[in-house]
Amino acid sequence: SQTIHQWPATLVQPVGSPLSLECTVEGTSNPNLYWYRQAAGRGLQLLFYSVGIGQISSEVPQNLSASRPQDRQFILSSKKLLLSDSGFYLCAWSVNRGYEQYFGPGTRLTVT
Amino acid sequence: AQSVTQLGSHVSVSEGALVLLRCNYSSSVPPYLFWYVQYPNQGLQLLLKYTTGATLVKGINGFEAEFKKSETSFHLTKPSAHMSDAAEYFCAVSGPNTGNQFYFGTGTSLTVIP
Repeated sequence: SQTIHQWPATLVQPVGSPLSLECTVEGTSNPNLYWYRQAAGRGLQLLFYSVGIGQISSEVPQNLSASRPQDRQFILSSKKLLLSDSGFYLCAWSVNRGYEQYFGPGTRLTVT
Repeated sequence: AQSVTQLGSHVSVSEGALVLLRCNYSSSVPPYLFWYVQYPNQGLQLLLKYTTGATLVKGINGFEAEFKKSETSFHLTKPSAHMSDAAEYFCAVSGPNTGNQFYFGTGTSLTVIP
């Protein structure tokens, strides 16, 4: 069966510090991968998606970036965090775009 | 652009009562439809989905939803609420008519009163 992992589970970082969140999927090949952000009490905002290694599409302009160095690894990064980057970050995968997405456990990021 | 509307950001029901969470979508072409549940500080879990075929879809934890094309709705129901059903619920749509993009509703927080 397929599983999706995210780490770290929680993170507290000062403004201006770098960020690296990692997501890995097991049990499937060539998944579509997604990064979402969920602000407190808000819905989900799609940040990035990837259909293959090295292929990243950005949905919103921001100081975040994403990379997919391996088939089942998706990384969310920032060079300098802003207070507004605080939130709950979710990684998800699907067999194809438009198909049901399966979510990881999430990373709670607090920027202080 | 496709949109998903979840009526009622907060719904409260008594334990044992019917749960009804509303979802309407905007599309002239039947999309793919999904319901997800999110417990505090956890990721989203797929409850059920509709793509084609039978319009009444049964999911996990006793939930079901009915696709009604004429009403462009996909409401989520459960006959008898349990305390463990308290969570945030998200409706989502996708499919060829959305360019295969996923559109999530803003969510409905369900409270179950003992």
